[in-house]
Amino acid sequence: DAKTTQPNSMESNEEEPVHLPCNHSTISGTDYIHWYRQLPSQGPEYVIHGLTSNVNNRMASLAIAEDRKSSTLILHRATLRDAAVYYCILRDVNNDMRFGAGTRLTVKP
Amino acid sequence: SAVISQKPSRDICQRGTSLTIQCQVDSQVTMMFWYRQQPGQSLTLIATANQGSEATYESGFVIDKFPISRPNLTFSTLTVSNMSPEDSSIYLCSVETRLAFRGNEQFFGPGTRLTVL
Repeated sequence: DAKTTQPNSMESNEEEPVHLPCNHSTISGTDYIHWYRQLPSQGPEYVIHGLTSNVNNRMASLAIAEDRKSSTLILHRATLRDAAVYYCILRDVNNDMRFGAGTRLTVKP
Repeated sequence: SAVISQKPSRDICQRGTSLTIQCQVDSQVTMMFWYRQQPGQSLTLIATANQGSEATYESGFVIDKFPISRPNLTFSTLTVSNMSPEDSSIYLCSVETRLAFRGNEQFFGPGTRLTVL
């Protein structure tokens, strides 16, 4: 499976944008880029996913580099409820979901 | 979307005993998975629960230790057998609603927090 690299932790101030990076230099052409987050004491929840084009939904935006070797999850206005561990996962249509270490996001009031 | 419930939500067990965790989904799903999350760690896939056949286990996990059942499209159980303190973890059930396009989102249950003394 192709691997992802994320910073262990990041901090943000409340109501400011947050850019969470993910490197995946060995991504294959059939890998989708998924982002999940895990709030304290909960199971992971889906945030967003994409293949080649940038994606937007009500939770976040996903910016994918042109060469697809990196991506950035963008939270436009962080709230205290966004404090969580964010996982960047590569997954092709035949593979199961495997989690890396993720980035622990702390949001300061 | 899919709403997943797990029972029990937590348990404290004695070494050498077994615990069966139940996962119930509010709709029929094609794929069901079991994950383990050890304290302070990320999630590790244990196995895929296959309806009507034996589960597919990941490397490092065996059926004798983690027997899994999936009698229908909405229910699965994971048993942690002959427990030791190293089995203390959160066990999570996850489902995926469609098979044809594996890029779909997965939904996760709230987890079962197991402590083995």
